Amino acid sequence: DAKTTQPNSMESNEEEPVHLPCNHSTISGTDYIHWYRQLPSQGPEYVIHGLTSNVNNRMASLAIAEDRKSSTLILHRATLRDAAVYYCILRFGLDDKIIFGKGTRLHILP
Amino acid sequence: EAQVTQNPRYLITVTGKKLTVTCSQNMNHEYMSWYRQDPGLGLRQIYYSMNVEVTDKGDVPEGYKVSRKEKRNFPLILESPSPNQTSLYFCASSLGTGSYNEQFFGPGTRLTVL
Repeated sequence: DAKTTQPNSMESNEEEPVHLPCNHSTISGTDYIHWYRQLPSQGPEYVIHGLTSNVNNRMASLAIAEDRKSSTLILHRATLRDAAVYYCILRFGLDDKIIFGKGTRLHILP
Repeated sequence: EAQVTQNPRYLITVTGKKLTVTCSQNMNHEYMSWYRQDPGLGLRQIYYSMNVEVTDKGDVPEGYKVSRKEKRNFPLILESPSPNQTSLYFCASSLGTGSYNEQFFGPGTRLTVL
């Protein structure tokens, strides 16, 4: 039970912004929203995480809905190197089990 | 360089022959975890450890053992491997057990059990 729902795949053009959605309607107050991505033939790598407020870092931005039932990972200017599977994950405080869903496979068109 | 290392990266073995996949991190992280990744099933957590001598089952622990005798190492042991354990395995670590901590993943170990 992944607790998050993401589209199976998305496509975007190079150098354009990409908005990757995630639904997590059963999120609880202490759940952090994490995003990871997995490039081909590599292990997953951390992208960003947040709790309630929108977050920015050098890789991406995370926009969290006011009711926290959904979030959007924003890549401001996609490059070919951003082609990967993106996972939206809820991490819940006391139980350190981590459940990855199927993720969204992002294709970047040159 | 801060990293998680796994060995071996590739392994082909036969049913029933005990094997160990090592995982080591140099970041003094408390939390370590093992995952397996299979086509169509995604990443599933096998075991995790919140500190030395503290381990717990993830979602798919059957057929696996782990130990955490020192902070930096978290080996995955398959006492009697079977073909359904053919998979891509990832080790991960994070600073602490809080749900805000990011995880660092190793490069993966591709295991084939014949």
